[in-house]
Amino acid sequence: KAGVTQTPRYLIKTRGQQVTLSCSPISGHRSVSWYQQTPGQGLQFLFEYFSETQRNKGNFPGRFSGRQFSNSRSEMNVSTLELGDSALYLCASSRAAGSSYNEQFFGPGTRLTVL
Amino acid sequence: GDSVTQMEGPVTLSEEAFLTINCTYTATGYPSLFWYVQYPGEGLQLLLKATKADDKGSNKGFEATYRKETTSFHLEKGSVQVSDSAVYFCALSERGNQFYFGTGTSLTVIP
Repeated sequence: KAGVTQTPRYLIKTRGQQVTLSCSPISGHRSVSWYQQTPGQGLQFLFEYFSETQRNKGNFPGRFSGRQFSNSRSEMNVSTLELGDSALYLCASSRAAGSSYNEQFFGPGTRLTVL
Repeated sequence: GDSVTQMEGPVTLSEEAFLTINCTYTATGYPSLFWYVQYPGEGLQLLLKATKADDKGSNKGFEATYRKETTSFHLEKGSVQVSDSAVYFCALSERGNQFYFGTGTSLTVIP
């Protein structure tokens, strides 16, 4: 069974631009969560989508947004990029939502560098 | 709010040494607790989990016990190997799939 895939793996953008990252969950998984990983802040939860609806949202500004499609694939968008947005963005999928027992399966991440 | 505090690294051990990585948490209810491992260039992988007090999670020789009285979930392994070199993250989930992670502890095992 294929794992969680994220594209692209690496991105370089300049301040003020916008970027879209993509995540394909494991087949049969309907929940997709996004995290930002930085050396200073560690792993921080961005948001979770289930059945095309945002269920939970972390404490990030409105420049960070996401969506989920009917096939459970998810995209994350960051507008008006800032230098501080440079990070590894991780996507995780799980079978269902609403339970803290769910195991999350992580993708390899997209490394975003903002110049 | 919910949070996880994890032992600072980096940790360097000789092969076959005993490993402990401390993790304590703050939660409003009754969270599930997890240890994830991240190898270089890869995403996080679930190492073990415990969903209620006094549960012991174990996998690949690693163990952690959910201690509600001390709000702790320390990771232990009796004899580490070079292949255990990685970054270890303690995490909790109390509400759906919203996970709170510790800052990670880098472990290097030398032959």
